[in-house]
Amino acid sequence: TQLLEQSPQFLSIQEGENLTVYCNSSSVFSSLQWYRQEPGEGPVLLVTVVTGGEVKKLKRLTFQFGDARKDSSLHITAAQPGDTGLYLCAGGSNYKLTFGKGTLLTVNP
Amino acid sequence: NAGVTQTPKFQVLKTGQSMTLQCAQDMNHNSMYWYRQDPGMGLRLIYYSASEGTTDKGEVPNGYNVSRLNKREFSLRLESAAPSQTSVYFCASTAGYSYEQYFGPGTRLTVT
Repeated sequence: TQLLEQSPQFLSIQEGENLTVYCNSSSVFSSLQWYRQEPGEGPVLLVTVVTGGEVKKLKRLTFQFGDARKDSSLHITAAQPGDTGLYLCAGGSNYKLTFGKGTLLTVNP
Repeated sequence: NAGVTQTPKFQVLKTGQSMTLQCAQDMNHNSMYWYRQDPGMGLRLIYYSASEGTTDKGEVPNGYNVSRLNKREFSLRLESAAPSQTSVYFCASTAGYSYEQYFGPGTRLTVT
């Protein structure tokens, strides 16, 4: 069974602070994705990383895929209240996604 | 574009009752998925359909059945609901050549 461990589970910070969320596995995945989920809604895809060592930027969000394609990180610069939500990583293999349990981020004004 | 739609949005059932959750996508995607989301457990795959005409079990299939009615629609049936099936259920779809999944808004099910 493939598992994805996310850390931290909860994170509460002040507006303007930086943060990093981690996603680790002992398995290799074909691709790794990050989703954000707001209360009462379904997850929404933020980014897909495919190549080991790949770095992608989405405005203030920076995503990195580990060289061995087993881990990933999400870094947010100058967090804003609108970044509040549940961040989920997911690894793709055999037509399926395996999800981590998520990091619940709260950004306080 | 509606994307992925799910009905109903909310449902309360009594133990032993049955119901079907409906999901439809208008993106011409090949693959469709049913997940449940519980506090502290993340998203867990119940069943999936890699292509029209095929269905396979996921991580937590017990107590559920699915039907891939056509390329657009994928339904999830609870034959005899149990309190342990109280959860939020999400349907998702993907083109099939990609793992990028698009999710519906969810169905919040309570079994008393």
